[in-house]
Amino acid sequence: QQPVQSPQAVILREGEDAVINCSSSKALYSVHWYRQKHGEAPVFLMILLKGGEQKGHDKISASFNEKKQQSSLYLTASQLSYSGTYFCGTEDNYGQNFVFGPGTRLSVLP
Amino acid sequence: NAGVTQTPKFQVLKTGQSMTLQCAQDMNHEYMSWYRQDPGMGLRLIHYSVGAGITDQGEVPNGYNVSRSTTEDFPLRLLSAAPSQTSVYFCASSLELAAYNEQFFGPGTRLTVL
Repeated sequence: QQPVQSPQAVILREGEDAVINCSSSKALYSVHWYRQKHGEAPVFLMILLKGGEQKGHDKISASFNEKKQQSSLYLTASQLSYSGTYFCGTEDNYGQNFVFGPGTRLSVLP
Repeated sequence: NAGVTQTPKFQVLKTGQSMTLQCAQDMNHEYMSWYRQDPGMGLRLIHYSVGAGITDQGEVPNGYNVSRSTTEDFPLRLLSAAPSQTSVYFCASSLELAAYNEQFFGPGTRLTVL
């Protein structure tokens, strides 16, 4: 079952913050976050495995709620390089069948 | 260390033609998968493999075949191309099950079916 992402798109100015949400109707083993720039392949950002987990690097971080049904990706003090489409991904069928959300298009303007 | 490689980068087919998209990885990853991405949409899983000799269907397997005779290679075969198969195809690999591991993506193959 495909996870739900929100918002579908967001436009920011450099230096502003953004939050992208990913949710599922059932508890998940894990949630992944990927970023894809136009015309390129998706690139892994991070994976969260435990309920209540928070992790991040640089100014991009993510959280996984205690029930493991929702994750949020936080982008702080956004840079032009953050522009792209962000996908969350989760497992289906006992961890073998991987499913991506529909994506959130992030545009950072100067 | 080349990572995940895909060939060709671009391909144009006529309806009814068949072809094979090649994918190879040199990271000794057990899990490999094929996704398609249609304009403005997310990635949908076509087929995946958890190891040599083992393949299974993903979300959108119809019209595609795969095999995994070696750990390194995971070709995707289009049996009889249709315009609905026009898409960008990405191959990905991960150390083990995708649910628990980072997936590394190839650069993609852009396929147009006329």
